[in-house]
Amino acid sequence: GAGVSQTPSNKVTEKGKYVELRCDPISGHTALYWYRQSLGQGPEFLIYFQGTGAADDSGLPNDRFFAVRPEGSVSTLKIQRTERGDSAVYLCASSLKGGEQFFGPGTRLTVL
Amino acid sequence: SQKIEQNSEALNIQEGKTATLTCNYTNYSPAYLQWYRQDPGRGPVFLLLIRENEKEKRKERLKVTFDTTLKQSLFHITASQPADSATYLCALPYSSASKIIFGSGTRLSIRP
Repeated sequence: GAGVSQTPSNKVTEKGKYVELRCDPISGHTALYWYRQSLGQGPEFLIYFQGTGAADDSGLPNDRFFAVRPEGSVSTLKIQRTERGDSAVYLCASSLKGGEQFFGPGTRLTVL
Repeated sequence: SQKIEQNSEALNIQEGKTATLTCNYTNYSPAYLQWYRQDPGRGPVFLLLIRENEKEKRKERLKVTFDTTLKQSLFHITASQPADSATYLCALPYSSASKIIFGSGTRLSIRP
């Protein structure tokens, strides 16, 4: 079956611009996670959704970052006024509640 | 604060030998520990979960140990193959069972 998909695979933007990153989880998975990974580091937790609600957003670095999951399936991570330090690979994962996490291939964001 | 440490340097192993990777953690008493594999340009893939009351777990050529006294997990790949070359990440639950934090990973290279 289809795994977790993320679009776009690559995104290049200019400092100060707004970006949206999309995640399509595995069908039926109620939990969805966003992570950020910098080169040579492990994934860093950003936010966790259970259904439509953000159960834990403690990893979001500041209020420029926001994520939604309006229908409990697809999620969008939104970054306002991007900064060069936001450049990283943004990973999405989904799971049945509390179970093994399945990761997507990530979106590589480059802020010039 | 909680901290996870993995071998920071790459590990180079001759094909057929056993590769052993280390994960140490501090300020923490996790209920379980996970190991993931990550290939370049891809998201992590779940390999094994070991619970705090389990000393050892095996899956095919993989073996994981969990010593809660030493606060350490060892990850072994026996009869290593070049296809095992990847980055291996350990991960622990943080504050809730659904939020996990990752170590920085160890890059493993198996030479023919």
